[in-house]
Amino acid sequence: GDSVTQMEGPVTLSEEAFLTINCTYTATGYPSLFWYVQYPGEGLQLLLKATKADDKGSNKGFEATYRKETTSFHLEKGSVQVSDSAVYFCALRGMNTGFQKLVFGTGTRLLVSP
Amino acid sequence: NAGVTQTPKFRILKIGQSMTLQCTQDMNHNYMYWYRQDPGMGLKLIYYSVGAGITDKGEVPNGYNVSRSTTEDFPLRLELAAPSQTSVYFCASSYSTTGANTEAFFGQGTRLTVV
Repeated sequence: GDSVTQMEGPVTLSEEAFLTINCTYTATGYPSLFWYVQYPGEGLQLLLKATKADDKGSNKGFEATYRKETTSFHLEKGSVQVSDSAVYFCALRGMNTGFQKLVFGTGTRLLVSP
Repeated sequence: NAGVTQTPKFRILKIGQSMTLQCTQDMNHNYMYWYRQDPGMGLKLIYYSVGAGITDKGEVPNGYNVSRSTTEDFPLRLELAAPSQTSVYFCASSYSTTGANTEAFFGQGTRLTVV
């Protein structure tokens, strides 16, 4: 079945450092790919998404490119801030399926220090 | 703009007790979902609903029940709490379930401990 694998955390960075959180997936066809973020004390929020190969999703300085050849959707940010400290979830929705089929990774906690 | 609201935020239950986790949304979304997240695991779907009066099982429905009498509310019921149900529970909603521009909105979560 479909699955998502994320790098384990926590990822600890200093402010203004470069961030990469790896995400790879297993799915048939062309799933839609998502990054959700959960800030402390809040629910999950959609950060960015990509619905077809080579699409780049971007939001709030974060980017991720849908790479079909490597089945990856790595999250990147050029310069992190303390306010980016949160848990980040990679997720996929299979072709021709709905959100009831959303498959999540285990989440990666990011800690950014001043 | 409340979005998806879950109550309570925290709860400790004794084995065999029952409780209802409340979820309400004010976005007039047809689709609602209940997930659980165990430590070190991704979110897993418990139940979902495609509209008032219609519910269906997700990946891990055993030990839970749901109802959807209104568009706004989607409560999750635990009848006989067991330690295996210790988890963080998330409710979510979406306008539709497919489509490139569909987005799911999540509540803050309920942390449940069964002792």
